Amino acid sequence: KNEVEQSPQNLTAQEGEFITINCSYSVGISALHWLQQHPGGGIVSLFMLSSGKKKHGRLIATINIQEKHSSLHITASHPRDSAVYICAPQTSGSRLTFGEGTQLTVNP
Amino acid sequence: NAGVTQTPKFQVLKTGQSMTLQCAQDMNHEYMSWYRQDPGMGLRLIHYSVGAGITDQGEVPNGYNVSRSTTEDFPLRLLSAAPSQTSVYFCASSSPWTGNTIYFGEGSWLTVV
Repeated sequence: KNEVEQSPQNLTAQEGEFITINCSYSVGISALHWLQQHPGGGIVSLFMLSSGKKKHGRLIATINIQEKHSSLHITASHPRDSAVYICAPQTSGSRLTFGEGTQLTVNP
Repeated sequence: NAGVTQTPKFQVLKTGQSMTLQCAQDMNHEYMSWYRQDPGMGLRLIHYSVGAGITDQGEVPNGYNVSRSTTEDFPLRLLSAAPSQTSVYFCASSSPWTGNTIYFGEGSWLTVV
């Protein structure tokens, strides 16, 4: 069983829809990262959180440490949000474990 | 501010050849790491370093070597390339002094034939 499970694996939405991507993990963590990987391959950090909720523009990330679960929400989705979203719990020190990613496609 | 710079971006190797993937960061980050990304498997940690002179193995270290002689540079060496090392490689850096936000290089596409 993978230490990090993301769902769904693939998601297609219409522009303007509210998107939720879920991440469950089985290891003890000090923080959790959400990453975005665009079709060209580059990976950027969206959030790092260790409790509660963070918001950046149309993106919201939440985490429940007790339930070992995090969610990434995108409000008013746009075609430019099309990318792979990766959940990465941070374990000992600065080591990360990665989910396989969620491929999001937003159609106009 | 260049961030994390990886070279080369694309490389084709023959089985048995050796090569070095270069990684440099200009943010004075202590922590640097190398990952490989394969279809359906997510990113996997190859080697990492918590500071100059200190390196350690990650999840998939076999066939790879690293060194960290300076804070800025963290090269990854393939000792004798094998087709199983065909992958996309990413270098990353972070620092607790900057909130542990992780910065990735643009990736290196390696094919071993």
